[in-house]
Amino acid sequence: KAGVTQTPRYLIKTRGQQVTLSCSPISGHRSVSWYQQTPGQGLQFLFEYFSETQRNKGNFPGRFSGRQFSNSRSEMNVSTLELGDSALYLCASSLESRSTYEQYFGPGTRLTVT
Amino acid sequence: DAKTTQPNSMESNEEEPVHLPCNHSTISGTDYIHWYRQLPSQGPEYVIHGLTSNVNNRMASLAIAEDRKSSTLILHRATLRDAAVYYCILRDLISNFGNEKLTFGTGTRLTIIP
Repeated sequence: KAGVTQTPRYLIKTRGQQVTLSCSPISGHRSVSWYQQTPGQGLQFLFEYFSETQRNKGNFPGRFSGRQFSNSRSEMNVSTLELGDSALYLCASSLESRSTYEQYFGPGTRLTVT
Repeated sequence: DAKTTQPNSMESNEEEPVHLPCNHSTISGTDYIHWYRQLPSQGPEYVIHGLTSNVNNRMASLAIAEDRKSSTLILHRATLRDAAVYYCILRDLISNFGNEKLTFGTGTRLTIIP
């Protein structure tokens, strides 16, 4: 079974631009979560989607948004990019939206904002 | 989320067992203990989880103290490929909104010495 895939793997943007990242979960998985990883803050939860609905949200500004499609694929959008948004963005999928199920992570998208 | 405490770093010789400790003195009765690890330049990877009893799988063993205030991840025979940051995470079995987020701490950076 194919793992979680994320596109693109690397991205360079300038301040003020917006960016859209894509995540394809493992086939059959209905929950998709997004995380941001930086050297200073570590891994931080952004949001979770299940059946096209946002189920949980972390403490990030409204510039960070996401959505999930009927095939469970998910996109994350960051508007008005800031230098501090440079990070590794990780997507994780899970069979169901329950804490007893493990999450499977993709390789991440490394975003650099200049 | 209940807090976990792990040593910042540990070293072990190749082909020897490794015991990675985690303290979680404020654990609640419905918290599962999960372990994930993150290899260099990769997304986190699920290792193992348990509630009360010790657990074994092909990757590792999880030993849970009788009072559940601490646990130990055991790698039976460390290889160079086990060099990673290991995260101990508590996840509530009963959550209001479904798949409660993974709250990553700083983890333990495991170095394997050839």
